[in-house]
Amino acid sequence: ELKVEQNPLFLSMQEGKNYTIYCNYSTTSDRLYWYRQDPGKSLESLFVLLSNGAVKQEGRLMASLDTKARLSTLHITAAVHDLSATYFCAGQLRDDKIIFGKGTRLHILP
Amino acid sequence: GAGVSQSPSNKVTEKGKDVELRCDPISGHTALYWYRQSLGQGLEFLIYFQGNSAPDKSGLPSDRFSAERTGGSVSTLTIQRTQQEDSAVYLCASRIGRTPHIYFGEGSWLTVV
Repeated sequence: ELKVEQNPLFLSMQEGKNYTIYCNYSTTSDRLYWYRQDPGKSLESLFVLLSNGAVKQEGRLMASLDTKARLSTLHITAAVHDLSATYFCAGQLRDDKIIFGKGTRLHILP
Repeated sequence: GAGVSQSPSNKVTEKGKDVELRCDPISGHTALYWYRQSLGQGLEFLIYFQGNSAPDKSGLPSDRFSAERTGGSVSTLTIQRTQQEDSAVYLCASRIGRTPHIYFGEGSWLTVV
């Protein structure tokens, strides 16, 4: 059974700083997803990582995947207040079940 | 609209009543997922439909929960004899086959009083 663990679960950071959210998963996962959720809203897809060494970037966010370490990271560069949200990672099993982590609540202080 | 549509958006029900939550996926999307998100928590997998294959029901928390998908399109999640711990947002998502991009609906907020 796939278990997905994120850390930290809560992160408060200053604008302009860099930080990384970590996503560990317990067993082979075909794909690794990152989503953003704003309060009271649904999930918005950020990245889908398909293979070992995959790196994707969008604005101040960059996601990477290391399948050997069963680790994905979401790196935030020079954070701005608009990035305050909850970020989820999720892994996909070969039977297509998608399992989510508990989420990281990111609060960026001005 | 072009997105995943869920109804009702909000539902308040009395403990012990049955509720039905509906998901209308994007047209042509063969895969459909249901998740439950309790307040401030992550997403808990409930059930997965893919085309005409038997659904993966392994996430349904008890036999009070069931779901069906008619004609490979609309899905209904039914919760019988609701309990207060069933209060949560129920999210539906769909995609084409096994393609990477999965689209979520806005969710149905269920409150059991």
